[in-house]
Amino acid sequence: GQQVMQIPQYQHVQEGEDFTTYCNSSTTLSNIQWYKQRPGGHPVFLIQLVKSGEVKKQKRLTFQFGEAKKNSSLHITATQTTDVGTYFCAGLSSNYQLIWGAGTKLIIKP
Amino acid sequence: SQTIHQWPATLVQPVGSPLSLECTVEGTSNPNLYWYRQAAGRGLQLLFYSVGIGQISSEVPQNLSASRPQDRQFILSSKKLLLSDSGFYLCAWGNTEAFFGQGTRLTVV
Repeated sequence: GQQVMQIPQYQHVQEGEDFTTYCNSSTTLSNIQWYKQRPGGHPVFLIQLVKSGEVKKQKRLTFQFGEAKKNSSLHITATQTTDVGTYFCAGLSSNYQLIWGAGTKLIIKP
Repeated sequence: SQTIHQWPATLVQPVGSPLSLECTVEGTSNPNLYWYRQAAGRGLQLLFYSVGIGQISSEVPQNLSASRPQDRQFILSSKKLLLSDSGFYLCAWGNTEAFFGQGTRLTVV
């Protein structure tokens, strides 16, 4: 079946360092969405990318959707303690089902 | 604006007891509704989704069931809980995106 692979599973960074998570789909996606789940909380919708090659920014967060609409990345510049959490991608398949990545947990080293 | 309510926030239930978790959505009509489960430190597993009243699709065979008695109400049930049913249960609504409730943290003891 359709799958979205997300890597890495964890990323430990010093505060101020950058963070990147990647998603790859086995099939072409209608769109890709990104969510953030704070520790103990529920996933919160961040953004949706629809067009091939699309790039969107939210302050220090940069989201990209690949040309083939099969891969995506989220990059955070100069991480802060408020960025801690798990970031999930979710691809919308051709039959309008959301296919979730396993998430990347961002951990800030003390 | 749309809001989603899910309760209770936490629940401790003995093995073999029944379960009923309720989710309601306000501010939208005929939403797609979803139940997800998240094991500790893991990703989201889709359990059930519904595109309308009385229409339930099951993604994972197990001892859980779902019902949608009203347009904006989605209920997750079990007749007899297992230890393996412990987890974080999340209700969500949305047609293409997913908007989640606060979640219910269920511990089966």
